[in-house]
Amino acid sequence: AQKVTQAQTEISVVEKEDVTLDCVYETRDTTYYLFWYKQPPSGELVFLIRRNSFDEQNEISGRYSWNFQKSTSSFNFTITASQVVDSAVYFCALSEAGFGNEKLTFGTGTRLTIIP
Amino acid sequence: EPEVTQTPSHQVTQMGQEVILRCVPISNHLYFYWYRQILGQKVEFLVSFYNNEISEKSEIFDDQFSVERPDGSNFTLKIRSTKLEDSAMYFCASSEEPPGQGTDTQYFGPGTRLTVL
Repeated sequence: AQKVTQAQTEISVVEKEDVTLDCVYETRDTTYYLFWYKQPPSGELVFLIRRNSFDEQNEISGRYSWNFQKSTSSFNFTITASQVVDSAVYFCALSEAGFGNEKLTFGTGTRLTIIP
Repeated sequence: EPEVTQTPSHQVTQMGQEVILRCVPISNHLYFYWYRQILGQKVEFLVSFYNNEISEKSEIFDDQFSVERPDGSNFTLKIRSTKLEDSAMYFCASSEEPPGQGTDTQYFGPGTRLTVL
């Protein structure tokens, strides 16, 4: 069975600090997909990134970066120079290989608060 | 940019009543999903739907739940006899049929907050 663990329940940092959100996953499949979603106070789920298990290259998108390490089953998310608008709950999710209809298994989320 | 829409944004109902939550997936998407999030908890998978039939469902999705695609645009979730524990945010999601490459990204709607009294 697949499982996602986000051990950090809540994190608070002062604006402009860097922050890393941890995600550890479990799966028996060799082919799987990892995701990060952002849930701002308004409640919607905003897609941030998708990674497949064969692509361990780190990715950077503006202030966001992701570190995927299969050896430790981790897919961590770093925000550099944090801003108040980054305040949200962030969910890591896992999907095992399929053809478009595979469910997402979410972690419990990390509530990030950026203090101005 | 295309997006998933859901109506209503908030539904209040009495225990035992039937509710229908509506979703309009992104127009070229073929895979549809319902998830729920009890307040303060994680997002949980309910059901996936493709080609007018359920592909997979979770243990949560019991006989009280049903899904339907009544026309070419809407995707609905019906709860026949609501219980207090059905109170949650319900999210619809959709994904494009991938070109044989595996799981595609699911895009979520804004959610419907269901309150059962």
